[in-house]
Amino acid sequence: EVQLVESGGGLVQPGGSLRLSCAASGFTLNRYWMSWVRQPPGKGLEWVANIKQDEKEKYYVESVRGRFTISRDNAKNSLYLQMNSLRAEDTALYYCARSGLQWNFPHDSWGQGTLVTVSS
Amino acid sequence: DIQMTQSPSSLSASVGDRVTITCRASQGISNYLAWYQQKPGKVPKLLIYAASTLQSGVPSRFSGSGSGTDFTLTISSLQPEDVATYYCQKYITAPWTFGQGTRVAIK
Repeated sequence: EVQLVESGGGLVQPGGSLRLSCAASGFTLNRYWMSWVRQPPGKGLEWVANIKQDEKEKYYVESVRGRFTISRDNAKNSLYLQMNSLRAEDTALYYCARSGLQWNFPHDSWGQGTLVTVSS
Repeated sequence: DIQMTQSPSSLSASVGDRVTITCRASQGISNYLAWYQQKPGKVPKLLIYAASTLQSGVPSRFSGSGSGTDFTLTISSLQPEDVATYYCQKYITAPWTFGQGTRVAIK
């Protein structure tokens, strides 16, 4: 069974940093593109970033480019999101999501999410 | 960036009704379109990919159609367990933008 478990969320002040982790199990992580998707409280879904199996391709939504960095450690079956210069508008539930073997496949498995709150 | 616009933003229908949700892309995206269902308090679930391919395990009352810029999600006979918010997403190029969502309720 595919399992994705996020951790690392919490309360952080504006301008602060946070590193999210996603532990993957039940499948071979190094075969899949992986993504982060977020959802502000009571609002819709926003795709944040995705990363190729070998980390040679990474893509970001414009609002986080230059502040967030997606990475992975296939040996540790883990996906990460380093978030710097956090803003109030980054407050959201952050989901780790599996994409496809190729770039052109959507998110077929999701974690339960980890909540990030940016507030003073 | 390509924008994704869903309509309506919400709807209410009776059990057994046929329900249709529309998603429009601001530029052509071929068939790189997915539909997700998110029940209240739950994680999103992939329903359809490649505009019309049903994900494994999804009931056959769900179907998708369209190509280019205009897409539809149809529930052929609405069931109480279909109460949820439905999102489209394009994945042809980054950013993989979602539509704003359509909330479906039972009348």
